[in-house]
Amino acid sequence: DTAVSQTPKYLVTQMGNDKSIKCEQNLGHDTMYWYKQDSKKFLKIMFSYNNKELIINETVPNRFSPKSPDKAHLNLHINSLELGDSAVYFCASSQSRAETQYFGPGTRLLVL
Amino acid sequence: GESVGLHLPTLSVQEGDNSIINCAYSNSASDYFIWYKQESGKGPQFIIDIRSNMDKRQGQRVTVLLNKTVKHLSLQIAATQPGDSAVYFCAERRAGGSYIPTFGRGTSLIVHP
Repeated sequence: DTAVSQTPKYLVTQMGNDKSIKCEQNLGHDTMYWYKQDSKKFLKIMFSYNNKELIINETVPNRFSPKSPDKAHLNLHINSLELGDSAVYFCASSQSRAETQYFGPGTRLLVL
Repeated sequence: GESVGLHLPTLSVQEGDNSIINCAYSNSASDYFIWYKQESGKGPQFIIDIRSNMDKRQGQRVTVLLNKTVKHLSLQIAATQPGDSAVYFCAERRAGGSYIPTFGRGTSLIVHP
């Protein structure tokens, strides 16, 4: 069984569109994250979220917003997509903020 | 600014050789370090971690060494196999911070059969 899953795996869209990426974890973890990985493989934290606290990387544009319907899900909504948003987005989860993170398989976003 | 970085972007080895991947960090407040492996098309996978009160930790075929004096971290892989080919990231976490690790740039390990 997949521990952390993301959908879709690939996403190709036009500039200006709004899109969402879904993430689900079946590990019973309390904390979930979103990372962006650029073309040079650099991993940058975007958000950290549990049922008590949302930590936002201040460099993330407010076009990006995490949405958590329940503890097992943390979706990423992106408004007004730009070319520079093209990257691989990884969801991760951990038992708590201090514990090891487990990553999903990634969503490859291409903005045309 | 403070950062986590790697000395070599690409490392090529022969199957069976030992591999050493290096990482430098600059924040002396970091107290926890993690190595991740990312295979092509997949997400990063935890390999091994080490806390700042240790200088060595061993796993299955992997050893992490921490030298706090020079702020250096290394990952040693024994008897490297083709399946070890991947990008390896070191990450550091700062005591008293948000607990979110900061990732380095990554080193691509290529294992030739």
